[in-house]
Amino acid sequence: AQKITQTQPGMFVQEKEAVTLDCTYDTSDPSYGLFWYKQPSSGEMIFLIYQGSYDQQNATEGRYSLNFQKARKSANLVISASQLGDSAMYFCAMREGDTGRRALTFGSGTRLQVQP
Amino acid sequence: ETGVTQTPRHLVMGMTNKKSLKCEQHLGHNAMYWYKQSAKKPLELMFVYNFKEQTENNSVPSRFSPECPNSSHLFLHLHTLQPEDSALYLCASSQEGTQGRDTQYFGPGTRLTVL
Repeated sequence: AQKITQTQPGMFVQEKEAVTLDCTYDTSDPSYGLFWYKQPSSGEMIFLIYQGSYDQQNATEGRYSLNFQKARKSANLVISASQLGDSAMYFCAMREGDTGRRALTFGSGTRLQVQP
Repeated sequence: ETGVTQTPRHLVMGMTNKKSLKCEQHLGHNAMYWYKQSAKKPLELMFVYNFKEQTENNSVPSRFSPECPNSSHLFLHLHTLQPEDSALYLCASSQEGTQGRDTQYFGPGTRLTVL
């Protein structure tokens, strides 16, 4: 079974509108972290936002916020006031556990296109 | 230089060549990673180094050989690759051992084409 599922291969949004990118995850570990990265066409993975499994509040970083619904195992990224520069691939990722395996498991990504 | 750098940015090689990818992190982190990103596939972890020791090898073929001489540098030595090895190779680093996010920061990647 996939650990990270991103069901939207592509999304379109009008400039200045808000957009939600979906991410669901699967883990039996009570301690985990969820990450969102942006990958422009240049290839670099840019860290956007982090949510820990024990965090009481949804994470926010500027125009990015994470809608964390633990019971549903979802961690959707909300981008407010979209800009043309937001056009990129967006990846949801998870790190499981406090010790041991530290690497990230990535979803297949969502390509976001912001239209003027 | 800041962050994580990778060289070269682009590499074209034949199947009989030997080449190396270099990654350097300027963040003072103690863990480094190699990931492979093929077309239409999620990023795949290849290797993890923690305090210069390899802690994970994700069933990577032996034609890929990592080297971590110190906590700031990571190499990926390539030899007798196959065309299906063509991909974007991303290096990342993080500060492990601290409670919290242990966010991984990525370099710009090396786009490898094997002819």
